[in-house]
Amino acid sequence: DVKVTQSSRYLVKRTGEKVFLECVQDMDHENMFWYRQDPGLGLRLIYFSYDVKMKEKGDIPEGYSVSREKKERFSLILESASTNQTSMYLCASGRGPGNTIYFGEGSWLTVV
Amino acid sequence: GIQVEQSPPDLILQEGANSTLRCNFSDSVNNLQWFHQNPWGQLINLFYIPSGTKQNGRLSATTVATERYSLLYISSSQTTDSGVYFCAVEPNRDDKIIFGKGTRLHILP
Repeated sequence: DVKVTQSSRYLVKRTGEKVFLECVQDMDHENMFWYRQDPGLGLRLIYFSYDVKMKEKGDIPEGYSVSREKKERFSLILESASTNQTSMYLCASGRGPGNTIYFGEGSWLTVV
Repeated sequence: GIQVEQSPPDLILQEGANSTLRCNFSDSVNNLQWFHQNPWGQLINLFYIPSGTKQNGRLSATTVATERYSLLYISSSQTTDSGVYFCAVEPNRDDKIIFGKGTRLHILP
C-alpha cells in the first residue's frame, strides 16, 4: 500500500513563527504536492515538485516556500505564520502525468 | 488556468437513494480523478477516469472528455457514503492537479 505520512496532525503556532510541515512518501513517486483546504474553497494547490530540488508554484504560493532535498520528502515552510494561514494542509504524491495521486491524512494548523 | 466546477455543492439524501454528481472542466485534460473525503479528512481515490466508464460496486463514473465533463453515480446510498466528493483534473502539458470545490453529500439513516 502507498503511504504518505504527514509529520503533524494538529499544530498551534503563534503569529510570526516559522512553521515546517513535513511530508514523506514511501513509493518512490516523482511528483509531490501541497494543498490547503478551506471551507467552501475546496483544495487549492500551493506548490508542487516533479523531481528532487525542483518546484513549481501552484495557484496560491504567496507566504509559503517548499523544499525537496530527497525524493521521498517534501516540506512546506511558512516563513512567518499569519492568522489567514490557519487551515488544513494536505500533502499528496504520484508517479507523474496520467497517474493516480495519494494523500496523507492532513495537518490542521491554527495560527493564533 | 483551467476551471473545475462541481455540482451540486450540497446534497442531502435518504439512505437507499441514488445520486449523480457532476464535474465540468474548462479545457482539455490528461487525467481526471474522483476522490471521497471522509468525515476525518482522509481523501481516498475512487476512480482514475480520463475517459469512458468505470464501475466499482455501487459507484460508477463516466467521463466524456470531448464535452469536458464527468459524472459520478452512487446507487443505493449508505450513511458511510457521506462526506465530500472531489473531482480533480490534470491539464494537458502540465503536471499540476487542480481540484473542484467539491460536493458535500449527507446520507440520512
